[in-house]
Amino acid sequence: KQEVTQIPAALSVPEGENLVLNCSFTDSAIYNLQWFRQDPGKGLTSLLLIQSSQREQTSGRLNASLDKSSGRSTLYIAASQPGDSATYLCAVRPGNYGQNFVFGPGTRLSVLP
Amino acid sequence: GAVVSQHPSRVICKSGTSVKIECRSLDFQATTMFWYRQFPKQSLMLMATSNEGSKATYEQGVEKDKFLINHASLTLSTLTVTSAHPEDSSFYICSARSGGDGELFFGEGSRLTVL
Repeated sequence: KQEVTQIPAALSVPEGENLVLNCSFTDSAIYNLQWFRQDPGKGLTSLLLIQSSQREQTSGRLNASLDKSSGRSTLYIAASQPGDSATYLCAVRPGNYGQNFVFGPGTRLSVLP
Repeated sequence: GAVVSQHPSRVICKSGTSVKIECRSLDFQATTMFWYRQFPKQSLMLMATSNEGSKATYEQGVEKDKFLINHASLTLSTLTVTSAHPEDSSFYICSARSGGDGELFFGEGSRLTVL
């Protein structure tokens, strides 16, 4: 059974810092991995999608990497801003073309002005 | 990215009544939609997978008769909480997967409060 964990559970940084959020999964046979952000009381916003054949994806100040063999993905946020404050979740889609994504518990990020 | 619309965003109802939540994919067709429940400060719990034109697939422990799911078209899925009770109060979120690379898009969520 696929399990997804995220470290740290919470993170507080001053504005302008570069930071890394970690996601680990137990079964390396994945189809893809997706990073989301969730603001309080809101739905999830898709940030980056990495296919199993890819090693990284970039969008603006965000860069996500994927190391399938070690069961890890990282989300790198450059030059953090207060507007980046949110909960970040990673989700893994199983490699057997399963329909269901498995979500991590999330990392609550606070960027202080 | 693709847009998924969820309605209503907030609903308050009396115990014993039924509440329907709609989930629409606005600019793409979704053969599969997902319904989640989220408790405060916790991650998403998958309730069921909704397939257009067929019965939904429920996760273990989710009552089918309590949470009725209908996926009548390629752009609309509905979740009906029947005979709602205070313990059903929660944040419900739907998602839909676009074709091709299978990116998942979420609705804004619906906050249900049962008095």
